[in-house]
Order: sequence, then C-alpha cells, then structure tokens
Amino acid sequence: EAQVTQNPRYLITVTGKKLTVTCSQNMNHEYMSWYRQDPGLGLRQIYYSMNVEVTDKGDVPEGYKVSRKEKRNFPLILESPSPNQTSLYFCASSSRSWGNEQFFGPGTRLTVL
Amino acid sequence: DQQVKQNSPSLSVQEGRISILNCDYTNSMFDYFLWYKKYPAEGPTFLISISSIKDKNEDGRFTVFLNKSAKHLSLHIVPSQPGDSAVYFCAAAGPGNQFYFGTGTSLTVIP
Repeated sequence: EAQVTQNPRYLITVTGKKLTVTCSQNMNHEYMSWYRQDPGLGLRQIYYSMNVEVTDKGDVPEGYKVSRKEKRNFPLILESPSPNQTSLYFCASSSRSWGNEQFFGPGTRLTVL
Repeated sequence: DQQVKQNSPSLSVQEGRISILNCDYTNSMFDYFLWYKKYPAEGPTFLISISSIKDKNEDGRFTVFLNKSAKHLSLHIVPSQPGDSAVYFCAAAGPGNQFYFGTGTSLTVIP
C-alpha cells in the first residue's frame, strides 16, 4: 500500500530535550516536505527536499532541522524544543513539486511542556 | 504574512445543495493551485488541482474555478453529501517549489 508513515503519532516532551520525528514514504517520491498545523494559521511549510541531500527552508524553519540521506526518509529534528513548537506536524511527499499532489502522513501531535 | 487566505472558517450546507468554498491569494507568481480535504485525526488528502493556464477544472462532483485577475479560486461541490463534511484547505505553489496553504474552511453538510 502506497503511504507516508510518521512516528511517533503522539509525543509529550519537555523544553530542551532533543527529539526526532521520523517520516518514511514507499512511493519512490523525490519531493518530501514537513508542515505544521496550528489553529487559525493553517498548514505552514517548515522544510522541503527536492531529492537526496537537497533540502530548503520553507516558511517557518526556525528551531527545526532536517536531513535527507535516503530517498524514502526525511526526519524532522528539534534540537532544543520550546513550548511554541507545540503543534500538529505533517510529513508529505510527491513525485515532483510542481504539477503533482502531495501525499500526507497521518500527523504527529507534539506537546512541549 | 498569509499569502493564501480562506476568509470563511466554516460553512454549513444542506445535503444535495451546492457548496462553494473560496480562496484568495496575493502572490501573482503562483501558477498551480490545489484543494485538500482533511478529516479529524487524518492527514490532508488531495482533492483537485488547477494550473494557471486554465480557468476551470472538473472532477465528478468537484469543480475548481480560477480567476487570475482577481487572484481568487473557488471549489464547488455539487451535490453536497454528508461525507463531504471535513476541513478544506486550498494551497498554492509557484516557481520556488514551496507550497502555501490557507487556514482552512470547515464544511458541514446537513442531512
């Protein structure tokens, strides 16, 4: 089954404790992206990657890191999480950025205390 | 600065009637537009898209209209069904490989 998986689905952590949210897709997609969804702000793009070893900042990259060492994986790293990073996070992938829809993962709800 | 705006947070429609969801954008460089549908506790799923060379795209009960001069797009759902109740996001993309999403409109279709 073609899908984007994220882990964990739910995470409660404390300020400053490094964490990683994993994202994996099995569709051989080149383009992968991370979004956060907040009330009244919709979905905002954090980082995206056009292919292996190619990553770019989206609209709200501050406080986040990503890596793309393999085509299928695109982890999101919060080196020192803060309460303002409490949000619902989505990973997405597509076969290319323009002209193709993105497939989204189920989401990761993160709470930073 | 929100480059894609959905000014109606919610919309209620009777089953069988038309649902019209609206979206405005500010960046004239956007050339590809998409609508996504999102149910609670799930990721958004793609619904329909349109490129800037067209002004209309249709897929079954769903039609998207693009008015480039007004920087406005709309999604029409005819006829509306209870299963269409969800949050709808419009999104836009331009030459830079970034995507910009609106804030979403929660559609309720009343049986």
